[in-house]
Amino acid sequence: NAGVTQTPKFRILKIGQSMTLQCTQDMNHNYMYWYRQDPGMGLKLIYYSVGAGITDKGEVPNGYNVSRSTTEDFPLRLELAAPSQTSVYFCASSYRQVGGYTFGSGTRLTVV
Amino acid sequence: TQLLEQSPQFLSIQEGENLTVYCNSSSVFSSLQWYRQEPGEGPVLLVTVVTGGEVKKLKRLTFQFGDARKDSSLHITAAQPGDTGLYLCAPFYNQGGKLIFGQGTELSVKP
Repeated sequence: NAGVTQTPKFRILKIGQSMTLQCTQDMNHNYMYWYRQDPGMGLKLIYYSVGAGITDKGEVPNGYNVSRSTTEDFPLRLELAAPSQTSVYFCASSYRQVGGYTFGSGTRLTVV
Repeated sequence: TQLLEQSPQFLSIQEGENLTVYCNSSSVFSSLQWYRQEPGEGPVLLVTVVTGGEVKKLKRLTFQFGDARKDSSLHITAAQPGDTGLYLCAPFYNQGGKLIFGQGTELSVKP
């Protein structure tokens, strides 16, 4: 079982560039989430999805967009990258709304 | 808006010592999860507690859910270097319907 797979693992972007962080899960989970993690700040929810075709904003959605065309995939799009988006990004999925989350291994993004 | 506080933020101890990490919320939550995260990896679920006053044990780790459902603690007995990592509490509030993560406790256990 691959679980939750995130690509790429590392990326350096220049200010104003755009990119898509990929996330795919093979557990047939309906719920998927994107978090960012900054030192000493825990995990902040960016966007989440309760199923294919349904997405909603989390705590810190500004500067990001998502789509959920299939159960397996939940890509996160950064438009016009800014230094404040330098962070480690984690994708997660769960079977139930209150179920345990399975996390990917993260994408470390630096915006310079 | 729920306020969530984990303490301590950093903890450095010697192998064999005991420690307790606390997670306190300003609001009642319906359940709570504890995760452990190692450097360069995503968090991994340790336990879910759902009943006020509940105590769960996972080898040398003891998790407690407060009676008032606003706090939880994680106690590690005889810590080992392999326990080193970031410990995150994550309550689930009925309002909002998503996990909220605390800022974490960074534990370092020295041999």
